[in-house]
Amino acid sequence: QKEVEQNSGPLSVPEGAIASLNCTYSDRGSQSFFWYRQYSGKSPELIMSIYSNGDKEDGRFTAQLNKASQYVSLLIRDSQPSDSATYLCAVNKGYSSASKIIFGSGTRLSIRP
Amino acid sequence: EAQVTQNPRYLITVTGKKLTVTCSQNMNHEYMSWYRQDPGLGLRQIYYSMNVEVTDKGDVPEGYKVSRKEKRNFPLILESPSPNQTSLYFCASSSTNRGHEQFFGPGTRLTVL
Repeated sequence: QKEVEQNSGPLSVPEGAIASLNCTYSDRGSQSFFWYRQYSGKSPELIMSIYSNGDKEDGRFTAQLNKASQYVSLLIRDSQPSDSATYLCAVNKGYSSASKIIFGSGTRLSIRP
Repeated sequence: EAQVTQNPRYLITVTGKKLTVTCSQNMNHEYMSWYRQDPGLGLRQIYYSMNVEVTDKGDVPEGYKVSRKEKRNFPLILESPSPNQTSLYFCASSSTNRGHEQFFGPGTRLTVL
């Protein structure tokens, strides 16, 4: 079992709809969770971070964390063609300022006009 | 401008010829990390550093060395590169005061013949 799992996609969503990206992790001690967006040929850029259970909203993006079920999700409302990219889920396995960061292999999202 | 820089951006070399990829950040971040990205495998952490003179292994450290003599620099050294180290490499940094919300460098595409 991978430590951080994502559906590789591609996930195809019509423009204006909600895109839902999911990620599960295996280490119950994980403390910090991140979503990065990576355009083809570019470096990852941080979209959202979430540290406690529940929802966190930032513009069109909402991150959701459920530690009991060990999953974290990203919702993108009013999807735009510019949202087409690979979305990487990352988990910090340590407490406070610790240690390793594990990335999922990414979900490719395609927004169709 | 806050940034992480890497050099070189592209490198083609031959098996066994020692090389160094430099990484520098100007954000006074404590945490720095190296990743490699391969198709289907996502981002995998090679080494990370919590601060000057403090480094630790990530998930795929074999064949790599790092050093952290200054806070801003975190070079990646391949003492004897092999073809299986052909990959896209990213350096990243983050402040431990903000979890591990990482800023990534532009990437170095390495080919070992």
